[in-house]
Amino acid sequence: SYELTQPPSVSVSPGQTARITCSGDALPKKYAYWYQQKSGQVPVLVIYEDSKRPSGIPERFSGSSSGTMATLTISGAQVEDEADYYCYSTDSSGHYSVFGGGTKVTVL
Amino acid sequence: EVQLLESGGGLVQPGGFLRLSCAASGFTFSNYALNWVRQAPGKGLEWVSGISGSGNSTFYTDSVKGRFTISRDNSKNTLYLQMSSLRAEDTAVYYCAKEYYDILTGFYTGDYWGQGILVTVSS
Repeated sequence: SYELTQPPSVSVSPGQTARITCSGDALPKKYAYWYQQKSGQVPVLVIYEDSKRPSGIPERFSGSSSGTMATLTISGAQVEDEADYYCYSTDSSGHYSVFGGGTKVTVL
Repeated sequence: EVQLLESGGGLVQPGGFLRLSCAASGFTFSNYALNWVRQAPGKGLEWVSGISGSGNSTFYTDSVKGRFTISRDNSKNTLYLQMSSLRAEDTAVYYCAKEYYDILTGFYTGDYWGQGILVTVSS
């Protein structure tokens, strides 16, 4: 079965840049999507189609993808950005979706 | 306003059966594929199953194949997940989620999830 691989955790100081990677064999052909989930809350989409930002998402969130790796970047991380972040995509057929294992971002 | 409301969760014994429902409103239901996503306590998100707008195509993650059945009733704007032979590892909050793209236009129209419903498999 298809897998997306993320680092378990990332730590950053307030105002610094956090980068979260997501690797998967189908990413050269399939879009990556990124979700933010704070404790006890429904996940929120912060990036779609590799690099597009939904309305209402701060500009400090950006995404990119190259080859088999997608990256979520939080520029000037804020304390309120502490959360779990998940990448999401599909296998090469487009029929089977998968989430990465999640990355816990700590801002301190 | 798009709304998705799950129901049918609760406590069930191992080996038991449960049917989840997701009532949708605020969009043209048959124009969108739909998914079930779950999250076990303290764990990450897991895509469980997806269904096409017509209901003719269904897809499952390996761990639920043969035990879970996804379906939809486009006349009632409702999505279902029939779960059988339930195991302790199926314990999770289950979310229904609308796909991003309108099937007819291909346009991205946003990301919407229900609030989730808890399923607990325990004796």
